[in-house]
Amino acid sequence: GIQVEQSPPDLILQEGANSTLRCNFSDSVNNLQWFHQNPWGQLINLFYIPSGTKQNGRLSATTVATERYSLLYISSSQTTDSGVYFCAVERAAGNKLTFGGGTRVLVKP
Amino acid sequence: DTGVSQDPRHKITKRGQNVTFRCDPISEHNRLYWYRQTLGQGPEFLTYFQNEAQLEKSRLLSDRFSAERPKGSFSTLEIQRTEQGDSAMYLCASSRIGPGLAGGIPSYEQYFGPGTRLTVT
Repeated sequence: GIQVEQSPPDLILQEGANSTLRCNFSDSVNNLQWFHQNPWGQLINLFYIPSGTKQNGRLSATTVATERYSLLYISSSQTTDSGVYFCAVERAAGNKLTFGGGTRVLVKP
Repeated sequence: DTGVSQDPRHKITKRGQNVTFRCDPISEHNRLYWYRQTLGQGPEFLTYFQNEAQLEKSRLLSDRFSAERPKGSFSTLEIQRTEQGDSAMYLCASSRIGPGLAGGIPSYEQYFGPGTRLTVT
């Protein structure tokens, strides 16, 4: 099956810093989603981004499907950005998501 | 739009007991998915439905697991003869397959419920 790798596995940031999270995948995909998992376990949708670039406030994402990677940018980080960020890919429309191992982010005040 | 809901949110059971979880998807969504997440890992796919038809099951779904979506709306996941290794967060997600709503662009984005945390003692 498809492999999804996220880096770095852990990230410690000072409040106000910028950071980039990376997601590599081993085969072509129909869909890619970024999620933020809060301390209670809820997966919160950040981006649905099979290709191109999207922005939502301080977050933005870019997927380069031909090179099989996606990047999530966090700018001016806040303590509420702490948590685990997951990338997940889907080989065919509406099928299962395959998740990466996540990047654990801690933003210190 | 009330989002995906799951019940119960927490379940503690003794080894050997049966448990059943419920998932209510977003109302216009025709696909429903079950995932399992253990500590420190990303969620792993278990099974999914389109309407009432179960289209795929993972090899993680042993004989002790059964999932149903009898009327194409809510779904149940039952685990029989629970084992300590079944302790995990069970996540449900839904999406809509087909033409976009009101003539819009189709999106296959999956939305997740809050999960059911199972502890087997």
